[in-house]
Amino acid sequence: AQKVTQAQTEISVVEKEDVTLDCVYETRDTTYYLFWYKQPPSGELVFLIRRNSFDEQNEISGRYSWNFQKSTSSFNFTITASQVVDSAVYFCALSNGGSGNTGKLIFGQGTTLQVKP
Amino acid sequence: GAVVSQHPSRVICKSGTSVKIECRSLDFQATTMFWYRQFPKQSLMLMATSNEGSKATYEQGVEKDKFLINHASLTLSTLTVTSAHPEDSSFYICSARDQRILNTIYFGEGSWLTVV
Repeated sequence: AQKVTQAQTEISVVEKEDVTLDCVYETRDTTYYLFWYKQPPSGELVFLIRRNSFDEQNEISGRYSWNFQKSTSSFNFTITASQVVDSAVYFCALSNGGSGNTGKLIFGQGTTLQVKP
Repeated sequence: GAVVSQHPSRVICKSGTSVKIECRSLDFQATTMFWYRQFPKQSLMLMATSNEGSKATYEQGVEKDKFLINHASLTLSTLTVTSAHPEDSSFYICSARDQRILNTIYFGEGSWLTVV
């Protein structure tokens, strides 16, 4: 069975602090995709990143970075120098890949990030 | 701009009535679309997979007679909440799979449903 766990329900930081959001996943598939989405209060899901299971390279995009570790089944997300606009709910998600790809996403419980000025 | 459009973004309906939510892929054809539901302060849960030209596949625990899904064209899937009750009040969001690039999923903007 597939499962995504975001153990941190809520995180509160002060602006300019770095913050890491944890994501641990479970899957029996050898080919799969991992995602991070940002959900502001308006509700829409803002796509942040997709990573396939064969690409363990860490990625950096501006203040955002992601650490994918297959050995620990983790895909953590770090925001450097956080800003108030980063306040949102962040979801980690998993889908199977390869020829069996269905496009279904299994979401974690979400982490609410509050960045205080 | 959005590649998957969802309408309406907000709807209020009376208990016992039905409400339809549309999910439209704007510049690609989607043989498969997905419907999720999100209750306040909870995660997104897949309700069903909408397949163009065939019956939807519902997740366990989702009432197919209550949540009618129609995917009559390659760019449009609709979710109809029938005989809505206050407990159906939720955020409904769809996603569409771009068949040109099977692993690309686009989400709609979501629809807030309030049943009074």
